[in-house]
Amino acid sequence: GNSVTQMEGPVTLSEEAFLTINCTYTATGYPSLFWYVQYPGEGLQLLLKATKADDKGSNKGFEATYRKETTSFHLEKGSVQVSDSAVYFCALRFLSNTGNQFYFGTGTSLTVIP
Amino acid sequence: DVKVTQSSRYLVKRTGEKVFLECVQDMDHENMFWYRQDPGLGLRLIYFSYDVKMKEKGDIPEGYSVSREKKERFSLILESASTNQTSMYLCASSFPRDRLIYSNQPQHFGDGTRLSIL
Repeated sequence: GNSVTQMEGPVTLSEEAFLTINCTYTATGYPSLFWYVQYPGEGLQLLLKATKADDKGSNKGFEATYRKETTSFHLEKGSVQVSDSAVYFCALRFLSNTGNQFYFGTGTSLTVIP
Repeated sequence: DVKVTQSSRYLVKRTGEKVFLECVQDMDHENMFWYRQDPGLGLRLIYFSYDVKMKEKGDIPEGYSVSREKKERFSLILESASTNQTSMYLCASSFPRDRLIYSNQPQHFGDGTRLSIL
């Protein structure tokens, strides 16, 4: 079946540290891939997306590259800030016989300390 | 920008009450979704709708129902609230389910309703 697996948290980093949150997926066909961010007390916001192999999504200093050969979409940021503290969700969407389906990872909590 | 609006940010109800959570989107999206979010469990799909008056069960529909009378509005109903339904509820919308040209479009989420059942 189709699924998304992301690294478990919580993750705690010092300000200006390098961030990687791993995400791998299982899907038939060619899904589109997304990272969402959820700040405390809020809903999910789209952070970035990639729609085909080797695409790189980027936003607010975050990047993720669609790697079909490793079925991965790892989120990276070179220098995190306290304001990046949030929960991050990896997700995929693809078109199947029954229509477009969405799958979400379980989320990774990030805390950045000054 | 897409706007998905949930009627309440915080709600407190009593066991046995009938509870309505409302969601409105302004982008003419065909698809609308209700999720609940609990610590350690991520997002779990309760119900979704891909057209007016259409609904499909998600992964955890028990104890819930939904209503989609207008395209822009999707309501989640707790028929008889119980304490195990205390949770964060998230509404989302997206473009159609069955067109390839929309398969790269994300879901757009509301800010969530934190519901407490006492």
